[in-house]
Amino acid sequence: EPEVTQTPSHQVTQMGQEVILRCVPISNHLYFYWYRQILGQKVEFLVSFYNNEISEKSEIFDDQFSVERPDGSNFTLKIRSTKLEDSAMYFCASSDGQLPGNQPQHFGDGTRLSIL
Amino acid sequence: SQKIEQNSEALNIQEGKTATLTCNYTNYSPAYLQWYRQDPGRGPVFLLLIRENEKEKRKERLKVTFDTTLKQSLFHITASQPADSATYLCALISSGSARQLTFGSGTQLTVLP
Repeated sequence: EPEVTQTPSHQVTQMGQEVILRCVPISNHLYFYWYRQILGQKVEFLVSFYNNEISEKSEIFDDQFSVERPDGSNFTLKIRSTKLEDSAMYFCASSDGQLPGNQPQHFGDGTRLSIL
Repeated sequence: SQKIEQNSEALNIQEGKTATLTCNYTNYSPAYLQWYRQDPGRGPVFLLLIRENEKEKRKERLKVTFDTTLKQSLFHITASQPADSATYLCALISSGSARQLTFGSGTQLTVLP
């Protein structure tokens, strides 16, 4: 069964440094998402992406965050200047269909980001 | 403010029994409600989806109900097995936002042999 893959599985970065998290969504999917889960807390929506542009974003997704689909397979999340509170598990997800709410989202196993 | 609450943080049941998990929401008008399973260190895995105009959905040993009057969804696992032990998350999608999932905090289910 096709799956969403994320790299790296664990990223350790110094505060203030830029970090790029990478995802390969399922190949025929059209909608892409990033979520984060701080340890012991809920999974929180960050951003959704369709047709090469952001379709929705949450309050968490401020100017320090950006997303990109640099080629036909990868989907990336960049954090420009990391803060301690950015430490979390970051999940990429993808879905297909004209009505995304009516479709399951397929999640990767996440990148654990640790900011020192 | 919008709130999604899932019953207890942890639920222990005996193998073979039916597990019932609750998801309540306030100040929300969900168009869809989805249930996911999350194992430690893994991403959520989709289980079932139910629309606002549906009362009940089944898939194998799983059943979900959706009561928009009570603002509640119930998720049942019948004939539970130790392999069903995991955290179960409910997630809402509002009619005004067809893409973002808003998750509850989850219920950790342990099925005892």
